[in-house]
Amino acid sequence: EVQLVESGGGLIQPGGSLRLSCAASGFTVSNTYMTWVRQAPGKGLEWVSVINSDDSTFYADSVEGRFTISRDNSKNTLYLQMSSLRAEDTALYYCAKGTKGQGCDFWGQGTLVTVSS
Amino acid sequence: IQLTQSPSFLSASVGDRVTITCRASQGISSYLAWYQQKPGKAPKLLIYSASTLQSGVPSRFSGSGAGTEFTLTISSLQPDDFATYYCQQVHSYPITFGQGTRLEIE
Repeated sequence: EVQLVESGGGLIQPGGSLRLSCAASGFTVSNTYMTWVRQAPGKGLEWVSVINSDDSTFYADSVEGRFTISRDNSKNTLYLQMSSLRAEDTALYYCAKGTKGQGCDFWGQGTLVTVSS
Repeated sequence: IQLTQSPSFLSASVGDRVTITCRASQGISSYLAWYQQKPGKAPKLLIYSASTLQSGVPSRFSGSGAGTEFTLTISSLQPDDFATYYCQQVHSYPITFGQGTRLEIE
């Protein structure tokens, strides 16, 4: 059974750093298209980042240079390292697996990040 | 690539046929997906490649379109279908979502 479990969210001050984790089971993250998508409270979905099966990575303009996506194949876990956090980064962060060019067919339940002083 | 969904809000009744439109600011071939999201839940993939039904999704859902204009149609609304729907272009980076269409019971 495919499972994605996010963790690492919490309350962080502006300018701080946080690392989100997404533990996967039922499939291997190493050769899978994996993404992070966020949703600010009461707002729509915003794509954040992707790591393709060939390890190429891409980011939304709003997080480029501040966030880094990576994976640890030995732990079967996806990460999102977030730095220089801003109030506008406050959101529920979802990890999801999918297929390039087809979208994401399985999502975790999300981890909440709140950036506030 | 900007995606604009219309309408943003839709009120309908059980049994109605509803259509949601997603327009892309430039051509994206058929690289479009549709998701359903219910309050407090993660999004669920309904349609990919503009018109391919994801496994397990009821056949009352269908998608069409290519290029810059796409539609999601629900042929006969069921109580479980009242939710927010998003389109997503997966043609080029950065990937983008539409702003969402909230479908409520009339």
